[in-house]
Order: sequence, then structure tokens, then C-alpha cells
Amino acid sequence: GQQVMQIPQYQHVQEGEDFTTYCNSSTTLSNIQWYKQRPGGHPVFLIQLVKSGEVKKQKRLTFQFGEAKKNSSLHITATQTTDVGTYFCAGPLQGAQKLVFGQGTRLTINP
Amino acid sequence: EAGVVQSPRYKIIEKKQPVAFWCNPISGHNTLYWYRQNLGQGPELLIRYENEEAVDDSQLPKDRFSAERLKGVDSTLKIQPAELGDSAVYLCASSLDQGGSSYYNEQFFGPGTRLTVL
Repeated sequence: GQQVMQIPQYQHVQEGEDFTTYCNSSTTLSNIQWYKQRPGGHPVFLIQLVKSGEVKKQKRLTFQFGEAKKNSSLHITATQTTDVGTYFCAGPLQGAQKLVFGQGTRLTINP
Repeated sequence: EAGVVQSPRYKIIEKKQPVAFWCNPISGHNTLYWYRQNLGQGPELLIRYENEEAVDDSQLPKDRFSAERLKGVDSTLKIQPAELGDSAVYLCASSLDQGGSSYYNEQFFGPGTRLTVL
């Protein structure tokens, strides 16, 4: 069945270093969403990408949607301790009306 | 604006006991979701409501799980009887979506109920 895969599963960086997480789908996605979940918290929506090749920025966060609409990435420049958490991508399952979440990338930061 | 409200926040029960979770979505949101999140995993959809209609319950273990959303507002999710493998965080989310569309608006998640089955 359709899967949404994220890599890496874990990433530990020094504060100030950059961080990137990648999301890959086995099928073309009409759109993709990104969520952040702080430790002990709940997922919080970050952004939605819809267009092929789309790039959106939120301060130090850069989101990209692949040309084929089968992959996406989230890049954080100069990480801060507030960036700690798990980042999830989610895409709609073809033929059904639901979002499928990736397993997430857990980011930890050494201050 | 109040967010998605869930109760209880934590629940510890023994296996074979029943348990129920309650969710009140953001006012005006027509779509309500129940997810289960296991440790280290992403949320997995259990059931999705559009107003009072369950439009996707394909992942809901119907032998022991049930849900309802009377009047299309708040919702309850019940497990009876609970099993050890049901230990997880149960998340409720809501959104304002167009019916039948694959375009999803952002989902607003509640704080979740952490269930421990002993």
C-alpha cells in the first residue's frame, strides 16, 4: 500500500548546525503537510505544500516539494534549542480521504 | 479561540476493562479525527468524521473499538475490552474541510489521552 517514509529517524546536532529531514512517498501526492511535535506535546501544523517544485520559507525553516510531487524536505538553518522535537510529514492516501503520516524524524540538539 | 479539548489526559486501566475518551473539536470544524500514536511513530488514523458521518473507519478495530459523534460536534472513542497492545496516546484532531476533496486544510490536534493498559 501507499507509504510515506521519512529519513533519518533520529538526528542529533550541535546548536547552530543545520538540519534536514526527507519525506518520500511511493505514489504522487496532491499535497503534503508538515507537523512538529515537541516532547510530550501534540502535533502542530507547520505548513502545506501543493505545487510541484514549491519552496516555502518560515524564518529559518525551508520546505520543498519535489518536482514529481513524491518527495519533500524540511531544512532548518542554524538550529536552536527551541527546534527540538519530532517533525512529521503527511500526505493524502490515494483513493481514500485521509492523511498518512510518516514515522517522523526526531531532532535533538546539544546546546 | 479555544483549541481541541480532550479528556482525560491520562488513563491507567487493567486489561479487559473498558475505557472511553472524549473530544471537543474547535468550534465550527466539520471534520473530526481520532488517531492512535504509538511511541516513536507517527499518528495513525482510526476514524474520520465529516459532521456526524463516519467517512473512514477502515483502521478502527471494530471488534473492540467504537466511536460516535452525535450532533456532529463532540465525539467519544471507546475501547471494550482493552488489551495490553492498546497502550498508546489517542489524539483527536479537527479541521474545516471540503467534503470529497483530497485537499486537506491543517489539522488542529488536541493534547491527547495517554492510555496505559496493565
